[in-house]
Amino acid sequence: EVQLVESGGGLVQPGGSLRLSCAASGFTFTRYWMSWVRQAPGMGLEWVANIKQDGSEKYYVDSVEGRFTISRDNAKTSLYLQMNFLRAEDTAVYYCARDLGKLDYWGQGTLVTVSS
Amino acid sequence: EIVLTQSPGTLSLSPGQRATLSCRASQSVSSSYLAWYQQKPGQVPRLLIYAASSRATGIPDRFSGSGSGTDFSLTISRLEPEDFAMYYCQQYGTSPLYSFGQGTKLEIK
Repeated sequence: EVQLVESGGGLVQPGGSLRLSCAASGFTFTRYWMSWVRQAPGMGLEWVANIKQDGSEKYYVDSVEGRFTISRDNAKTSLYLQMNFLRAEDTAVYYCARDLGKLDYWGQGTLVTVSS
Repeated sequence: EIVLTQSPGTLSLSPGQRATLSCRASQSVSSSYLAWYQQKPGQVPRLLIYAASSRATGIPDRFSGSGSGTDFSLTISRLEPEDFAMYYCQQYGTSPLYSFGQGTKLEIK
């Protein structure tokens, strides 16, 4: 059974940093791109970033470029999102998802709240 | 960047009726790489349709997708009570960069 479990969310002040993690199991992690998608409260879905199987390619939505860094540790079958210089508009539930273009499996999400 | 516009914003129908949701792209979606997701309140998005018309594993056949180029639709042939939810389209034709539509809320009339 495919499982994706996010962690690391919480309350952070504007300008602060947070690192999200996503533990993957039930599939061969090294065969898949992985993505982060977020959803602000009461709003729609926004794709944030993705990373190639070996970590050699990374892509970001414009609004987080230069502030967020996606990475992965294939030995630990884990995905990460380092978020720096956080803004109020980054407040959202962050989901990790298995990425085949289509996003076929999603984690339960972790809530990030940016507020003073 | 491809912008996806979903319509209507809210669709009010009764169980047993047919629902048609629209997703229009600002430019042609390569190879019909368009997906549909369902999200119920407090739940995780679930993949329904990919490549415009292929049903994901375990999705009932009352759900169907169609379209190409810039115009796509999701049809639910006979609405069941559990189908009332938010629906999002997503394009991955510009892979590895993606975008989502703003969503259509399907509510019980």
